[in-house]
This record gives sequence, structure tokens and C-alpha cells, in this order.
Amino acid sequence: GQNIDQPTEMTATEGAIVQINCTYQTSGFNGLFWYQQHAGEAPTFLSYNVLDGLEEKGRFSSFLSRSKGYSYLLLKELQMKDSASYLCAVLDSNYQLIWGAGTKLIIKP
Amino acid sequence: GAVVSQHPSRVICKSGTSVKIECRSLDFQATTMFWYRQFPKKSLMLMATSNEGSKATYEQGVEKDKFLINHASLTLSTLTVTSAHPEDSSFYICSARDVGGAYNEQFFGPGTRLTVL
Repeated sequence: GQNIDQPTEMTATEGAIVQINCTYQTSGFNGLFWYQQHAGEAPTFLSYNVLDGLEEKGRFSSFLSRSKGYSYLLLKELQMKDSASYLCAVLDSNYQLIWGAGTKLIIKP
Repeated sequence: GAVVSQHPSRVICKSGTSVKIECRSLDFQATTMFWYRQFPKKSLMLMATSNEGSKATYEQGVEKDKFLINHASLTLSTLTVTSAHPEDSSFYICSARDVGGAYNEQFFGPGTRLTVL
């Protein structure tokens, strides 16, 4: 079956760095997405990786290793507004998005 | 980025009534739109894939006669929850794939919170 694993919850301090991991087992791979979702709102697109390596976009970076079925989202200089759920999703061979359960990130002052 | 609107944002209805939710891609054409359902503190659950001009593809366990989907144009898909019951209360989110986009990503509407009394 298809499976995406990410931690349920993480806590970090304002101004610090946090890494949210995601491992996946899917039928085919056409890219991996990270989305941010604040409580009561719809997800918003953060990043997309299809090749191995690190993609940096401001305070957020995303890394992919296809051979290991592994990705992480790195958030630097954490701000209180970064408190949200972070969803990892893989586009499978049918171009269907397979979603992880999300990681709730709690930022403390 | 591409914008997807969803209407209404919130609806409260009586048990047994039908509710229609609209999803529109505002600045791009979407041959494919997706309907999700999300329970509190849970991830997104794909209900169906809506294809313009053809029947929707429903995920296993989703009743197609209860959740009617129509994708009449390249910018509009509708989800109708027929004979709604309290267990249908949930957060419904649509998304549209921008095939012309750089990453083929899905853009999400703001969601509709349905409460069935």
C-alpha cells in the first residue's frame, strides 16, 4: 500500500530552527509537496521537490532523497505565525496526491 | 499564485436538506479539480476527482449518489451533499490543478465548513 509518515507534533522556540521529516512509500513518484495549513483554513503551497537535493526559498527549505524515500522541511528563524500544521504529500504514478497526516508545529516564545 | 475560490465558506442546514458548494478557479483553467474532506486534527481525505466534461472519479467508500459532483466548465466544479445528516458535518475543501503551472501543484480553495443540525 501507499504510506506517508511524518511526526504528529513538534515544538520549537521562536527564532530557532526546526526540521520536519517525511518518509514515503508510494506506487511511483512524480514529486513531493509541502503545504502549510493554519487551523480552520485550507492548505497553502510551500514547496515542490522532484529531484534529489535541497530547494531553498527564504526561511523555508525542502530536501529530497528519492533513493531513501525521504524528505524534510527546514524552517529557520521561527516566528509565532509559523505555528501550523505542515503536510507532506507525494504525487504518485497516477498523478494522485497521497497525503501524510500532517505535523502540528507549536512555536513557543 | 493561482487563486481558487469556494462558496459558501460556512453553511448550517437542517438534516435532510441538500447543500451545494461551488469551487472556482479564478485566473486559470482547471481540467481537473479535487474535493477533499477534513475532520478535526486529521489530514485531508480525497473524496473525488472532478474532470471537466466527464463523470467524477470517486474514492473507495465515498457514496457518489450522496456527494454529487458536476464539473460543467474549466473554471467551475460543484459538490452537492444530498440529504445531509449530522455525520456529514465537516470541512470540505476543493483544489484545482494548474497544469500550466511550474510545479503542477494543486491550489486550494478556502474551504467550506458544513454543520448539519
